Amino acid sequence: DAMVIQNPRYQVTQFGKPVTLSCSQTLNHNVMYWYQQKSSQAPKLLFHYYDKDFNNEADTPDNFQSRRPNTSFCFLDIRSPGLGDAAMYLCATSRGGQGVNYGYTFGSGTRLTVV
Amino acid sequence: RKEVEQDPGPFNVPEGATVAFNCTYSNSASQSFFWYRQDCRKEPKLLMSVYSSGNEDGRFTAQLNRASQYISLLIRDSKLSDSATYLCVVIAGAQKLVFGQGTRLTINP
Repeated sequence: DAMVIQNPRYQVTQFGKPVTLSCSQTLNHNVMYWYQQKSSQAPKLLFHYYDKDFNNEADTPDNFQSRRPNTSFCFLDIRSPGLGDAAMYLCATSRGGQGVNYGYTFGSGTRLTVV
Repeated sequence: RKEVEQDPGPFNVPEGATVAFNCTYSNSASQSFFWYRQDCRKEPKLLMSVYSSGNEDGRFTAQLNRASQYISLLIRDSKLSDSATYLCVVIAGAQKLVFGQGTRLTINP
């Protein structure tokens, strides 16, 4: 039944070692988002794709990259993880277009630990 | 100033009590408003949308005051299962959700 699936649920990576988090969706939504949520903080948008158009947030570090090879999949690449990148990473999707009901749907998140 | 501000709490209330949270937003062009609920170490889940006319869903009532740029959530007859963090969320163009810090609520037996 899960419509936005994130893998893995927990990821441990070494300091400086590239890591990729994945997200897939069965909703056929146009928009896919990546949020970073640190402990006791609000989710913070890193970037989003509207179809193939990539939209980076101004304050997202260059260390974070994203790829969307097709409608269903979106990846978050962290090129050189630092200790400060340990967080929950949330993938979300929405329909796009106008209107109030965007149909936002979140995945279960990937909790990243950097050692 | 943060785009969306909430009192982080924690709020500790007895079961059966009524509790209310407020949230303010800075962008007057904000279009859509929501309350999300987030349980510990889980993803946020939509609790309810917030409409200008106010809306109710069971024990939950949400209000929007555009003139003062604040949103409220009222929980009546609180249950132990209502313990969670409540996130105020605003959309202001480009369909991007902007989250408040969240208000942590604990319902005590």
